[in-house]
Amino acid sequence: KAGVTQTPRYLIKTRGQQVTLSCSPISGHRSVSWYQQTPGQGLQFLFEYFSETQRNKGNFPGRFSGRQFSNSRSEMNVSTLELGDSALYLCASSYGTGDMNTEAFFGQGTRLTVV
Amino acid sequence: DQQVKQNSPSLSVQEGRISILNCDYTNSMFDYFLWYKKYPAEGPTFLISISSIKDKNEDGRFTVFLNKSAKHLSLHIVPSQPGDSAVYFCAARGFSGTYKYIFGTGTRLKVLA
Repeated sequence: KAGVTQTPRYLIKTRGQQVTLSCSPISGHRSVSWYQQTPGQGLQFLFEYFSETQRNKGNFPGRFSGRQFSNSRSEMNVSTLELGDSALYLCASSYGTGDMNTEAFFGQGTRLTVV
Repeated sequence: DQQVKQNSPSLSVQEGRISILNCDYTNSMFDYFLWYKKYPAEGPTFLISISSIKDKNEDGRFTVFLNKSAKHLSLHIVPSQPGDSAVYFCAARGFSGTYKYIFGTGTRLKVLA
């Protein structure tokens, strides 16, 4: 069974540009969550989508947005990139939402560097 | 404010000995806890979990202990192996309208051969 696939794996962008990251969850999983990992900050929750609806959102500015398609694939967009947005962005999929005791499966992440 | 804290950023342990990774949380309403392991250039992988109604869960070399009164959980790895060298994240599930997982900052474990 294929795992969570994130594309691209690496990305270099310039300040002020915008970027779109993609995540394909495990087949049959309907929940997709996005996290930002920076050194010393752990995994910071961005948002969660379930059945094309955003169910939860973390404390990130409106420059960070996402969406989920009918096939459960999800995209995350960051507009007007800042140097501080440089991080590893991780996508996690799970069968249900957090109210089910199921663990999330993570992709390998997209390493975004803003210069 | 960091609701889930891993106060030790790194830990070194000799192969064959016990590794103990600690995690503290502030919200007494957290009801489900997980540990993830992360190797460089890979996403975190699920290791073990525990519900708040239990105080111990064991899976092979890995045991998670939960002390609700102290709002503390720990992961024990016995015996430690060089392949266990990785960053370990603890996560807690909380509810605020919907369920959400909150991760700690991670502890880098190095098992010395």
